[in-house]
Formats: sequence, structure tokens, C-alpha cells
Amino acid sequence: GDSVTQMEGPVTLSEEAFLTINCTYTATGYPSLFWYVQYPGEGLQLLLKATKADDKGSNKGFEATYRKETTSFHLEKGSVQVSDSAVYFCALSERTGGFKTIFGAGTRLFVKA
Amino acid sequence: DVKVTQSSRYLVKRTGEKVFLECVQDMDHENMFWYRQDPGLGLRLIYFSYDVKMKEKGDIPEGYSVSREKKERFSLILESASTNQTSMYLCASSLSFLGGNTIYFGEGSWLTVV
Repeated sequence: GDSVTQMEGPVTLSEEAFLTINCTYTATGYPSLFWYVQYPGEGLQLLLKATKADDKGSNKGFEATYRKETTSFHLEKGSVQVSDSAVYFCALSERTGGFKTIFGAGTRLFVKA
Repeated sequence: DVKVTQSSRYLVKRTGEKVFLECVQDMDHENMFWYRQDPGLGLRLIYFSYDVKMKEKGDIPEGYSVSREKKERFSLILESASTNQTSMYLCASSLSFLGGNTIYFGEGSWLTVV
């Protein structure tokens, strides 16, 4: 079945460092891919998404490119801030026939001032 | 903006009690979901509903039931709470099941069963 694998955390960075959180997936069809973020004490919210191969999703300085050939959707940000400290979830949703969004286990990011 | 509201942020219940977690969304979404979030396990789908009075089991439905009498409201019921149901419960909604549809989450309900 479909699955999402993302790098284990926690990831600890200093402010202004470069961030990469790896995400790979397995899917039978042509999924849409998502990154959700969960700030402390809150529910998840959509950070960015991409619906087809080679699409790049971006928001708040974060980017991720849908790479079908490597089945990956890595999250990147050039310069992290303390306010980016959160848990990041990679997810996929099949475009046709499916009903579930499959989430990765989440990666916790700590950014130090 | 879409708003998913969960009625209780923090609850403490006794073993064996019947527990109701209520959720309301204000964007006329077709689909609603209940997830459970535990450290190291990520999000696990308990139940979902794609229409009023319709429900489907997710990955971990045992010990839970749901009710959707109105489109905007989706309730999670723990018939007899147990300590292993202590967790964070997240309600969510989406417009449809078509790919690319964003899921909107509530802020979560922290349930402790003692």
C-alpha cells in the first residue's frame, strides 16, 4: 500500500541555518504531495503542496519539489527562524479512487537563537 | 478561512466512562475525519465520513464510534474509555476526496483517561 517515510527527528539547527527534511513515498498511482506543519499546542495546517511531477510547492520561505523519478518531496528552507520550530509532516493523497491521506511520522524541528 | 472547531481542548475522564468529542466545521465540507496522534506513531485515522449519516472505519476503529447527523458536525464517541485511549485527538475536514484537496484540522483535544 501507499506509504510515506520521512527522516527521524529531532532536528536541531541554529537560526539562519539551511534546513532539509527528507521525505520519500511509495504510491500505486499519481499522488498529490503535501507538507503540513504543527506548531506547539496546535493542530496541523497545510504548509505547501504539489499535485504533479516537477511541481514546486512554496510558502513562508519553504519549498519542496515533486520528484517522481526519486519518489521524493524533500522540504527545504534557506534560513530558518526560531518561529519555525514545529513538527513537520509529509503526506500524500492519491488523485483517483483513494480516500485517505497518508501521513509520515513527523519530524520535530528545534531552532536555537 | 476554514475553521474546524473542537469543543474541548483538555479532558480528564475515568476508566469506563462514555466520552464524547465534538467537532464542527464551517465550510460546508463533504468529508470529516477523526485522527489520533501519539508520540512516535504519527497520525492514525480512526473514522471518517463522506456524507451525513455515512461513516467508514479507518486504521484503528476499535473502541470508538462516530456520529454525523448534520453535515457540519462529526462526533467521536468512546463507549467505555480505557487508559490506552489517552491521547491527542484531531478532527479534520476536506472539501472532497479528489487529489490535491487540503485537509483542515482543528486544534486538537487532549484526552487523559485515569
